[in-house]
Amino acid sequence: KQEVTQIPAALSVPEGENLVLNCSFTDSAIYNLQWFRQDPGKGLTSLLLIQSSQREQTSGRLNASLDKSSGRSTLYIAASQPGDSATYLCAVSPSNDYKLSFGAGTTVTVRA
Amino acid sequence: DAGVIQSPRHEVTEMGQEVTLRCKPISGHNSLFWYRQTMMRGLELLIYFNNNVPIDDSGMPEDRFSAKMPNASFSTLKIQPSEPRDSAVYFCASSLRIGGASVEYFGPGTRLTVL
Repeated sequence: KQEVTQIPAALSVPEGENLVLNCSFTDSAIYNLQWFRQDPGKGLTSLLLIQSSQREQTSGRLNASLDKSSGRSTLYIAASQPGDSATYLCAVSPSNDYKLSFGAGTTVTVRA
Repeated sequence: DAGVIQSPRHEVTEMGQEVTLRCKPISGHNSLFWYRQTMMRGLELLIYFNNNVPIDDSGMPEDRFSAKMPNASFSTLKIQPSEPRDSAVYFCASSLRIGGASVEYFGPGTRLTVL
């Protein structure tokens, strides 16, 4: 059974600092990995999707890397802003499959 | 598009009552998912529909839970009878799967409290 772990559970940084969020998974036979953002009381918003054949994806200030062999992904958020405060979840799918396995998330607070 | 629409946004009910959660997926999407989120267990997939057909309901916790998708634009998740341990946020998500990876779009969720 795929286990997805996100450490730390919470993170507080001053505005302008770069954020580094970690995700690890136990089974490297994944099809893709996604990073989601969840704001309090809201649903999840997909930020980046990395196919298993890719090493990274970028969108604006966000960059996600994937190392399948070591079972790790990292989400980088450059020059953090208070609006980046949210919970970030990673999720992996085991094959060309619908069953996403989610991590518990990292709750980020960016202090103005 | 308005995105995935869920109703109600909040539901408070008493143990033993029937609860029905509703979802309208994004138009044109062919896949629909119901998830449950709790502090203890995180996000769990309850059931997955593809082209209105239930493909995998192995995540449905008990027979008290049932889900239907009578057409491409509507789905319900029913709990009968409800219990306090069913209290959670229930999310509906939809996607367009044409083989390969697809992004799931989540609704805002229904926060269910069973007293």
